[in-house]
Amino acid sequence: IVLTQSPDTLSLSPGESATLSCRASQSVTSAYLAWYQQKVGQGLRLLIYGASARAPGIPDRFGGSGSATNFTLTISRVEPEDLAVYFCQQYGGSPPAVTFGGGTKLEIK
Amino acid sequence: QVQLVQSGAEVTKPGASVKLSCRASGFTFGNSYIHWVRRAPGQGFEWMGMIHPRDGSSKYAQNFQGRVRMTRDTSTTTVFMELSSLTSQDTAMYYCARDDGKWLVPNWFFDLWGRGSLVSVSS
Repeated sequence: IVLTQSPDTLSLSPGESATLSCRASQSVTSAYLAWYQQKVGQGLRLLIYGASARAPGIPDRFGGSGSATNFTLTISRVEPEDLAVYFCQQYGGSPPAVTFGGGTKLEIK
Repeated sequence: QVQLVQSGAEVTKPGASVKLSCRASGFTFGNSYIHWVRRAPGQGFEWMGMIHPRDGSSKYAQNFQGRVRMTRDTSTTTVFMELSSLTSQDTAMYYCARDDGKWLVPNWFFDLWGRGSLVSVSS
């Protein structure tokens, strides 16, 4: 299953909302769709699992939604610390495999 | 502190093998899967496989079958990933990541990541 993320880059001012898209080449079971944040020089940080459940310690500014082939990560009231690249990831397909999207870079003006 | 600490950068030659380590601390080593994921320059993330430290059982991605081996040392709570027959295409950052699935059923998402080990393959 190929995951396509858009846009490639999103440039927002603090306080604005971000909408990041993840489209799958075939239907993904929601339980197996996750979102991650990666800051420069760091490993990935789990934000959302099961398409919409926030990982422990993740602010409620981060929200996940969607189903089947269309998933969205929403960041309300972006802050300077949200500067990062965001990735979606799924498990499924035939044969089942883990795949990641190409990422969306969030820039803060 | 709950963390995965990965070994340092490696520089190696085509045809050689590399063995990376990932030491777990701050959580029960035998309760979670450890996966390995890599990212080559300019490429996306690629899942390589996983191991369950409790019994050492492993599963590898088709693209790496026959070339990758994952093992663990429970005395040091460390997981190892060895990749053989290296080519320049294996130049990448390699990450280990925890999958906190229970009862030997993976969640297939990763809630804790190491910072990565850079492997450079060049003649």
